[in-house]
Amino acid sequence: DIQMTQSPSSLSASVGDRVTITCRASQSISSYLNWYQQKPGKAPKLLIYAASSLQSGVPSRFSGSGSGTDFTLTISSLQPEDFATYYCQQSYSTPPLFTFGPGTKVDIK
Amino acid sequence: EVQLVESGGGLVQPGRSLRLSCAASGFTFDDYAMHWVRQAPGKGLEWVSGISWNSGSIGYADSVKGRFTISRDNAKNSLYLQMNSLRAEDTALYYCAKDRYGSGSDAFDIWGQGTMVTVSS
Repeated sequence: DIQMTQSPSSLSASVGDRVTITCRASQSISSYLNWYQQKPGKAPKLLIYAASSLQSGVPSRFSGSGSGTDFTLTISSLQPEDFATYYCQQSYSTPPLFTFGPGTKVDIK
Repeated sequence: EVQLVESGGGLVQPGRSLRLSCAASGFTFDDYAMHWVRQAPGKGLEWVSGISWNSGSIGYADSVKGRFTISRDNAKNSLYLQMNSLRAEDTALYYCAKDRYGSGSDAFDIWGQGTMVTVSS
């Protein structure tokens, strides 16, 4: 099975900061990597699919990059509403067989 | 409005069964694969199971394989999760999620609000 890791597990940042979160797969997953945002008490929300495609309605300050085993989610200028936990997810395996990363919590410095 | 509404959660004793349901509306249900994802209290997300648009492709996490069964009724726009031999570690908020495509191998673009399952004696 494909394992996913994320770093850091948490970070503190200020409004306006550029934030980068890294996700690594245990084997190559091409570009089958998605990013989600989850706020406390809420369902996850899709931000990025296929490593770098922005989901409809998601602000352009969010971007994704990478392929193979190493991926990044970047928030170009952190906004108050961006404080949340971010998860990566691989969608490479078939039949349906997905794995989420352990999450990165972004909180206020 | 595109919507997923889960139901069927509750308190159940270890070893017993529970059936979750997810009612979909606002989109053509039988065009898309569907999934169950769970989140234990204070923990991260865990994909549980997924099913393609025509039920031809189904997958399970190792943690539930042989105990849980996913199914769908396209005529009723509904997704189900039959959970047998429940364990304390199955305690979680269970989300229903819509896949971006029918095959069941893409991102999850619509999520329900979840239904809580607590396994305890």
